[in-house]
Formats: sequence, structure tokens, C-alpha cells
Amino acid sequence: EAGVVQSPRYKIIEKKQPVAFWCNPISGHNTLYWYLQNLGQGPELLIRYENEEAVDDSQLPKDRFSAERLKGVDSTLKIQPAELGDSAVYLCASSRNSIADTQYFGPGTRLTVL
Amino acid sequence: AQTVTQSQPEMSVQEAETVTLSCTYDTSESDYYLFWYKQPPSRQMILVIRQEAYKQQNATENRFSVNFQKAAKSFSLKISDSQLGDAAMYFCAYRTSGDDMRFGAGTRLTVKP
Repeated sequence: EAGVVQSPRYKIIEKKQPVAFWCNPISGHNTLYWYLQNLGQGPELLIRYENEEAVDDSQLPKDRFSAERLKGVDSTLKIQPAELGDSAVYLCASSRNSIADTQYFGPGTRLTVL
Repeated sequence: AQTVTQSQPEMSVQEAETVTLSCTYDTSESDYYLFWYKQPPSRQMILVIRQEAYKQQNATENRFSVNFQKAAKSFSLKISDSQLGDAAMYFCAYRTSGDDMRFGAGTRLTVKP
């Protein structure tokens, strides 16, 4: 069974530029999560999807961040415009549903904003 | 709010020895799940072990076992017969059913040959 797929693995951009990250969850997993992980810290939830519906986006900075999960499968997280402080690793995870306990993580995208 | 505390930023263990990583959490819930995730330099978070709060028996997965003390809100991870491949960041995490996962700040484990 394929795991959670993310691309790109690395991204370097100039500040004020837009950037997008893509995630494909494990097949059959209805719940998808985007996390932000700063250096030396644990992941922090940005947004959680149940199928195509965003059910928890309270930690997503909506002035510059947006996300979508069309058709309830893969998802895209966008930042526009990027700021220096956005440099971090962006992790995607999935689980069978929100009641299920175990989340499975992708390899993450390391973003560097210059 | 639920919080997860890992008081050991770094730990070191000799190969083949045993090491214990500490984790405490704060919650008013009675039903929840606890996890230990491993994150090697490649960055992929890998589930090491999980524990349901309603189970009194401590979870075990091969060389990995936990000491779950519900009353003390403590959830430590014991790694036996440490191997070089165990070197990584280890994160303790907590969640209730339908709620968000909360992670600790992590413990960096070094394994000395």
C-alpha cells in the first residue's frame, strides 16, 4: 500500500512569491491534515479535512494561506505571498476518518523563503 | 487546553543498551489516545507505538514499549537493545476521538556505537 505522497520535497522561493504544496493521502483515507513544523519543534495543525470539507482551519493564517481538497482525495496548500517566517517543513497526514486514532505522515516539503 | 511535555530535549544511549524517553500530558478527558512517533533525518514521521487510555496494559512493539501511568498523566517510551537506526527525533503525541493531535517538542536520540 502506498503511503502519503507529497511534492515537492524542497522549495526555495523569494519572499512575496507564491508557493503551492501538493499531497495525496493513503487510498481510502477520508481525513487529511496539513501541519506546519518549525525547526526543533513538533508539528502544529494548520487545517483538517473530512472528505472535501475543511472542518478545522482555525490555525490557518487565512490572509495568506489557502487550501483545497477537491473531490475529497488529494489536496493543495498555497501561500501567497510568502514571508520569511514561513520557512518551515509542511507535513501532510491522513487517517481513515477523524475518529480513527492513527495518522500516517508524508515526507514533508521543506520551504525556504529568501 | 491539552498540552504535551517532553522534558528531555536530547538523550544519548550506547548501542545495545536501553533508554527511556519521558512524556507527560495535561488533559481533563478520560478517553484518549497516546502515540510515539519517530522522525529520522529524512523527515518522515513514522508511528512507533500507540496506547488507548482505556487499556491498562502497556503497549509493546518488538523492542519498543511504553509505561503508561494514567493517574500521573505520564507516557514514557522504552527502547531496548538500541540500534544505530533508532537515532532520530521522537515525538510524543496525544489526541481525543475527533480532536486534533497535540505533539510535544520532541527528544533527539543519539545512539553511540
